[in-house]
Amino acid sequence: RKEVEQDPGPFNVPEGATVAFNCTYSNSASQSFFWYRQDCRKEPKLLMSVYSSGNEDGRFTAQLNRASQYISLLIRDSKLSDSATYLCVVNARIGQNFVFGPGTRLSVLP
Amino acid sequence: DAGVIQSPRHEVTEMGQEVTLRCKPISGHNSLFWYRQTMMRGLELLIYFNNNVPIDDSGMPEDRFSAKMPNASFSTLKIQPSEPRDSAVYFCASSSLGRGYTFGSGTRLTVV
Repeated sequence: RKEVEQDPGPFNVPEGATVAFNCTYSNSASQSFFWYRQDCRKEPKLLMSVYSSGNEDGRFTAQLNRASQYISLLIRDSKLSDSATYLCVVNARIGQNFVFGPGTRLSVLP
Repeated sequence: DAGVIQSPRHEVTEMGQEVTLRCKPISGHNSLFWYRQTMMRGLELLIYFNNNVPIDDSGMPEDRFSAKMPNASFSTLKIQPSEPRDSAVYFCASSSLGRGYTFGSGTRLTVV
């Protein structure tokens, strides 16, 4: 089993739709969680950290479920500019490397 | 803040040649990571350094790959000799403890 797993997609949604991505991780000792966004032919960029209590940043909401070992990202009122690959990232321990999931591709259609 | 700076942006080389990729991390970041990304395998960690010391190089594919970090502001990834299957985008990233990574723009390597 891979350390971090994601549905590769692609998710094709119309503008204005709400879309949710899930990510599961295998290491129960994992401590830090992030969502990254990667545009085509660009580097990954930090979208948001994921906190135990859940957190929101505008149209984006991240949730963490430690018991079930999954992380979610919800995008509301999706825009064309949200089209990208979304990478789930897990860090087992401070000072250790981050483990990236394979990414979920999102295409928002006009 | 200039971000993580990688050079060159693109590299095309012939099989068998030596390739050196360069990275300047963000000042004050104490961890540096080298990743390789391909369509087939996604993002793969090659090696990472904490405070200039290599911590985990288990992702380095073969002895043809080597990485150094002589000081806190510079790192190199060398491939010698290069092969066509090394063609990929190589990313360098840096971070402070416990915080998210900042990636450089990457080096797109093509070995023909």
